[in-house]
Amino acid sequence: DGGITQSPKYLFRKEGQNVTLSCEQNLNHDAMYWYRQDPGQGLRLIYYSQIVNDFQKGDIAEGYSVSREKKESFPLTVTSAQKNPTAFYLCASSLNRDEKLFFGSGTQLSVL
Amino acid sequence: EDQVTQSPEALRLQEGESSSLNCSYTVSGLRGLFWYRQDPGKGPEFLFTLYSAGEEKEKERLKATLTKKESFLHITAPKPEDSATYLCAAQYGGSQGNLIFGKGTKLSVKP
Repeated sequence: DGGITQSPKYLFRKEGQNVTLSCEQNLNHDAMYWYRQDPGQGLRLIYYSQIVNDFQKGDIAEGYSVSREKKESFPLTVTSAQKNPTAFYLCASSLNRDEKLFFGSGTQLSVL
Repeated sequence: EDQVTQSPEALRLQEGESSSLNCSYTVSGLRGLFWYRQDPGKGPEFLFTLYSAGEEKEKERLKATLTKKESFLHITAPKPEDSATYLCAAQYGGSQGNLIFGKGTKLSVKP
């Protein structure tokens, strides 16, 4: 079945450590996104990519980095510069930026 | 300021008790209004897209409507399995489009 796979489901980060969240899709979608979800808040856009080897910052990109070397993959790195990383991270994809989003199952990141 | 506001934050219903969720939006140039359902610990799942005032869409016990200022998600005779958080999102702006999400309404349906 086509869909988006995020891994791991749970991730723990030590202070000063960089961690990478994986996102793979087999929907043949051009656009991919990373969102952060905090309790009581709406989804906030971290980064998005509309084509391979190109990506743009969203509303809260500071402390995060991404790459888009393959159409299917859009990993997110949470760097040590992100001082409040505890959140639920969601990866999504769409045919283009005007279309509905397909979401992965999310990664819960916590700080040790 | 562009924003999307959902109300109520939480709603408790008895099974079979119909109600509506509200999504008010203030954006420049609405391109589409999306509704998603999110179960605990999972990613949101697409329900509907509405594009113009007066448009309505239905799926099982759910019906979404759109006006120039707000959207409603009507739930008719809900069942416990309808319990979830319902998110709305407004897409607006130029060719690149921007998408802003509301904070969601957590629906609980008791048997």
